[in-house]
Amino acid sequence: DVKVTQSSRYLVKRTGEKVFLECVQDMDHENMFWYRQDPGLGLRLIYFSYDVKMKEKGDIPEGYSVSREKKERFSLILESASTNQTSMYLCASSRGARSFGNQPQHFGDGTRLSIL
Amino acid sequence: SQQGEEDPQALSIQEGENATMNCSYKTSINNLQWYRQNSGRGLVHLILIRSNEREKHSGRLRVTLDTSKKSSSLLITASRAADTASYFCATSRDNAGNMLTFGGGTRLMVKP
Repeated sequence: DVKVTQSSRYLVKRTGEKVFLECVQDMDHENMFWYRQDPGLGLRLIYFSYDVKMKEKGDIPEGYSVSREKKERFSLILESASTNQTSMYLCASSRGARSFGNQPQHFGDGTRLSIL
Repeated sequence: SQQGEEDPQALSIQEGENATMNCSYKTSINNLQWYRQNSGRGLVHLILIRSNEREKHSGRLRVTLDTSKKSSSLLITASRAADTASYFCATSRDNAGNMLTFGGGTRLMVKP
């Protein structure tokens, strides 16, 4: 089974801090994703990476950056955390659609981040 | 904006009953996927139906797709308390099929 591991289940940080959320997948997937999930707003895509060092902006990239230096690891960075970034953050991975057709995404259990 | 919209937003049924959730979308699709999310956990992929398929089964799950109406339904038969979760439909948002847009979800409660 695919395993997507997020480094923390719960995290509390202060306004203005630089925050790193880490995600690791063990299935050699090309694609990795970061979403945030808020009540009433559903899942919104922050960033998508289709290869090492490659990224595309999603719906809400403002205030976030990402890093993918190795295929298995995808990091989400909050450059200067703000209270409106308090949310549940979900990482996912999938095979590349170009090689394998449309593929399901495999999710981690999420990081519930609170910014005080 | 959300590509998929689930209906109803919430559903409460007794164990053993069937649960039907609907999803409507706006633009043409290559495929539609359904996911489940237990409280406080990540999403789990349930089933993928391609645009040239009309119906697909997986265990107690039955998914239909009507591309003319831009809608899909997920039927869970003989529901169990363990089926209590939120259910989301998702459609591809890029031509390559890598990225998905998720609907707002249906919260299903199955009472024992």
